[in-house]
Amino acid sequence: GIQVEQSPPDLILQEGANSTLRCNFSDSVNNLQWFHQNPWGQLINLFYIPSGTKQNGRLSATTVATERYSLLYISSSQTTDSGVYFCAVPFSGAGSYQLTFGKGTKLSVIP
Amino acid sequence: AAGVIQSPRHLIKEKRETATLKCYPIPRHDTVYWYQQGPGQDPQFLISFYEKMQSDKGSIPDRFSAQQFSDYHSELNMSSLELGDSALYFCASSRQGAKNIQYFGAGTRLSVL
Repeated sequence: GIQVEQSPPDLILQEGANSTLRCNFSDSVNNLQWFHQNPWGQLINLFYIPSGTKQNGRLSATTVATERYSLLYISSSQTTDSGVYFCAVPFSGAGSYQLTFGKGTKLSVIP
Repeated sequence: AAGVIQSPRHLIKEKRETATLKCYPIPRHDTVYWYQQGPGQDPQFLISFYEKMQSDKGSIPDRFSAQQFSDYHSELNMSSLELGDSALYFCASSRQGAKNIQYFGAGTRLSVL
């Protein structure tokens, strides 16, 4: 199956700082999703971004499909941004859309 | 907007007991997925259904079974529970032909004592 690697595994930021999270994947994909898992365990959809760049407020994401990576940018971080950020891609099987997740980046934003 | 509804949110069971988790997908979504997330782990795919038929199967133990009903809700049945089954169980739904973007429910946290 497809391999998904995220870096860094852990990140501690001072409130107001910017950060970049990276997701590498081992095969071509036609779908990539970024999620934020908050401290209560909820998985929140951030972006559906198989290619190109999207922005939503302080967050933006870029996927370069030909080079098999995606980046999530968080600007002016806030304590509410804390949690685990996952990227996920479909398993590379015909007609299969099960998502394979990376191990996540655990972000802690301190006041 | 309506979201994926899971129930119960929390469940405590004893070893060897059974548990049933329920999932109500977003209206007009025809595909349901179940994932299991152990402590400190990433979510792992268990099983999926499209139009009430099993469409894909992952690392789901034989003790678990699932189905999707005519109203598209799905149930995950877990028998002979083990301590290692303690996890967060997510249901996600998507609509075929709509980029298959998966939307996740809030999860059911199962604790097996």
